[in-house]
Amino acid sequence: AQSVTQLDSQVPVFEEAPVELRCNYSSSVSVYLFWYVQYPNQGLQLLLKYLSGSTLVKGINGFEAEFNKSQTSFHLRKPSVHISDTAEYFCAVARGFGNEKLTFGTGTRLTIIP
Amino acid sequence: EAEVAQSPRYKITEKSQAVAFWCDPISGHATLYWYRQILGQGPELLVQFQDESVVDDSQLPKDRFSAERLKGVDSTLKIQPAELGDSAMYLCASSLLGSGRYTGELFFGEGSRLTVL
Repeated sequence: AQSVTQLDSQVPVFEEAPVELRCNYSSSVSVYLFWYVQYPNQGLQLLLKYLSGSTLVKGINGFEAEFNKSQTSFHLRKPSVHISDTAEYFCAVARGFGNEKLTFGTGTRLTIIP
Repeated sequence: EAEVAQSPRYKITEKSQAVAFWCDPISGHATLYWYRQILGQGPELLVQFQDESVVDDSQLPKDRFSAERLKGVDSTLKIQPAELGDSAMYLCASSLLGSGRYTGELFFGEGSRLTVL
């Protein structure tokens, strides 16, 4: 079975500073990785995904993530954050494409300090 | 832009009462999911439908929870009787899985927040 660990439950960052949200996964087979964002009182929205190919994945709102198979990580980064990035971020993993069950991490709450 | 519709947004009920949640997925999405998100945790899949058929309900507490998608479009999740531990956000999502145009993305509704007193 796969699992996802988000090491930081809360990350405060000053506006315009860079941020990295960490995600590690465990799985005995090939995986597909996702980052979802949840703004206050809203549902989850896909930020980016890694299915295959280039290990550096770019998503919406200036976010990117790098798949590192040797370290079993998929950390999310943004070079300069904005107040509007305040949200909960969830890393998720699936073993298969099409019949998978997404397993979510516990989330990281990103707070932007003006 | 098409969205997943859920109702009610908020529901407060007393334990042992029945409660129901409704979800209308994006038109054309064959697969519908119900997730439960307990405060401070990530969403957990309760049940997955492809059209009207259940694909996965392994984590659905079947003694009190039921879900249906009779015509393969909208869906209802029911809890009877509700218990204190059922307090959570219930999220519905849909995807193009099963339509030949799946990209891996799930589209989530805004959720139904349940409080059991």
